[in-house]
Amino acid sequence: AQTVTQSQPEMSVQEAETVTLSCTYDTSESDYYLFWYKQPPSRQMILVIRQEAYKQQNATENRFSVNFQKAAKSFSLKISDSQLGDAAMYFCAYGDNTNAGKSTFGDGTTLTVKP
Amino acid sequence: DTGVSQDPRHKITKRGQNVTFRCDPISEHNRLYWYRQTLGQGPEFLTYFQNEAQLEKSRLLSDRFSAERPKGSFSTLEIQRTEQGDSAMYLCASTGPLPNSNTQYFGPGTRLTVL
Repeated sequence: AQTVTQSQPEMSVQEAETVTLSCTYDTSESDYYLFWYKQPPSRQMILVIRQEAYKQQNATENRFSVNFQKAAKSFSLKISDSQLGDAAMYFCAYGDNTNAGKSTFGDGTTLTVKP
Repeated sequence: DTGVSQDPRHKITKRGQNVTFRCDPISEHNRLYWYRQTLGQGPEFLTYFQNEAQLEKSRLLSDRFSAERPKGSFSTLEIQRTEQGDSAMYLCASTGPLPNSNTQYFGPGTRLTVL
């Protein structure tokens, strides 16, 4: 079974600064997906960024980028120019590439952005 | 595209009562997932449907839980004889056709409180 570990329960960053959230996972599969989701307090979970395991190039979405190290099974999220609206719980998730396509989530990292 | 919707958003019930939740996925999405999220943890997979067929159930889904997706459209999750341990957020997600068929779009969740 796959597992996802987020070792930082809480992180804080100064507005306009850069922060990196860590994630490691364990799997015996070679083809899969990785995701970062954002869940603001009492609000809906939304996708921040996704990475296909077969792609070597790290995914980027505006201020969000990942550092995907397949051999090390590491998938960190970098948020540049942090904004107050980035404050939320961030979940790292592993998505299997079978017909099921279900996701396994880490326990999340709470990000605080200080003005 | 109105996104994934869930109803009700909040449910308070007494122990021993039955409750039913509804999820309406994005209209063209053929796969639908149910997850449970307890406070301070990431979502945990419960079950998933491809069209109207329930193809996988987690061991978390005890025999008090039943899910249906008649006609492959909306889905319901019923919990019979609720227990205090069932208190959680119940999330529904759906996925659609390629190229992003492994990206799950989440609804706002139903927060269940069992007194």
